[in-house]
Amino acid sequence: EAQVTQNPRYLITVTGKKLTVTCSQNMNHEYMSWYRQDPGLGLRQIYYSMNVEVTDKGDVPEGYKVSRKEKRNFPLILESPSPNQTSLYFCASGGLALHEQYFGPGTRLTVT
Amino acid sequence: SQKIEQNSEALNIQEGKTATLTCNYTNYSPAYLQWYRQDPGRGPVFLLLIRENEKEKRKERLKVTFDTTLKQSLFHITASQPADSATYLCAHPGNSGAGSYQLTFGKGTKLSVIP
Repeated sequence: EAQVTQNPRYLITVTGKKLTVTCSQNMNHEYMSWYRQDPGLGLRQIYYSMNVEVTDKGDVPEGYKVSRKEKRNFPLILESPSPNQTSLYFCASGGLALHEQYFGPGTRLTVT
Repeated sequence: SQKIEQNSEALNIQEGKTATLTCNYTNYSPAYLQWYRQDPGRGPVFLLLIRENEKEKRKERLKVTFDTTLKQSLFHITASQPADSATYLCAHPGNSGAGSYQLTFGKGTKLSVIP
């Protein structure tokens, strides 16, 4: 089944404790992206990647890191999480020719 | 900078009627617009893409229009059903190059279809 998976689905952590949210897709898509979704603000892009070793900032990259060492994986790293990073995070992937994006199930992160 | 706005936060309609959702953008005309459906707590699901040279696109009970003069896209659901209740998002790409794959989303319209 074609899908985007994210782990963990739910995470509660404390300020400053480094964490990684994994994202994997099995559709051989070149494009992958991370979004956060907050009430009243909608979906906002954090980082995106056009291919392996090619990443670029989205609209709200501060406090986040990403890497794209393999085509199928695009982890999101929070080196020192803060409470304002409490949010619902979505990973997405897409083929460069198709434009539509396929979203993962989401990761709900709470930073206390 | 480009903005994308969905005029209504919420829309309630009676089952069987046609729901019409609006998406407006400022500044440049994007190469295409996309519409997604999002259910509570779940990731958005792609529905339709319409290019700037297309006036209209249909998929089953869904219809999307793109008016570059009005800088607007309309999303219609005909013969609406309670199962259509969800939040609908429109999205447009950046202007060119790698940015053309960078989507900006509207805040969404929450549609409720009342039986």
